[in-house]
Amino acid sequence: EVQLVESGGGLVQPGGSLRLSCAASGFTLSSHWMHWVRQAPGKGLVWVSYINSDGSITHYADSVKGRFTISRDNAKNTLSLQMNSLRVDDAAIYYCVVVLTAGAFDMWGQGTMVAVSS
Amino acid sequence: QSALTQPPSVSGSPGQSVAISCTGTSSDVGGQNYVSWYQQHPGKAPKLMIFDVTKRPSGVPDRFSGSKSGNTASLTISGLQAEDETDYYCCSYTASYTYVFGTGTKVTVL
Repeated sequence: EVQLVESGGGLVQPGGSLRLSCAASGFTLSSHWMHWVRQAPGKGLVWVSYINSDGSITHYADSVKGRFTISRDNAKNTLSLQMNSLRVDDAAIYYCVVVLTAGAFDMWGQGTMVAVSS
Repeated sequence: QSALTQPPSVSGSPGQSVAISCTGTSSDVGGQNYVSWYQQHPGKAPKLMIFDVTKRPSGVPDRFSGSKSGNTASLTISGLQAEDETDYYCCSYTASYTYVFGTGTKVTVL
């Protein structure tokens, strides 16, 4: 079965760090661009970051620039999001998304929850 | 990076058509062809419904269609069905090499 599985979410204090991972099964990530998208409880979708297939191009939403780093390990078929200096408003479900069609968010994982609270 | 503007809710009776608007600027919706739409049921991950403004992925019913005029994109659901009742989001690539989602619209089937 083709699927994406996120992990690494949890409860962290403001100012803390977390590292999210996304593992693919049933297909190879290496030829695909990938995104992280988040959704705070009861709120809308917010784009966070994307990375191209070989990791040489990355872009971030202004709200996370300088605090979050997206990376990938094509040998391990995984995507990561290092989140530092976490704030209360970073709390959300974080989705890993694969681009199969340029410009579209084709395949989504089930998400991992990040809570930021003291 | 302000969110694209969508109406909070739209409603229609079974069999009717509803349209959801998505208004941005010339830097995103108006200037890009990477406009897409997503359906999200409660507690579930979003699902791609429309990409490249008007194209439907395989498996998406042809009741769903997309269009764009100026800085506003639209998703139309024709022949509304009970299973269409849920949240919908638009998304656009931007001139700053980023993406922006819409504020979201809840579709209610009366």
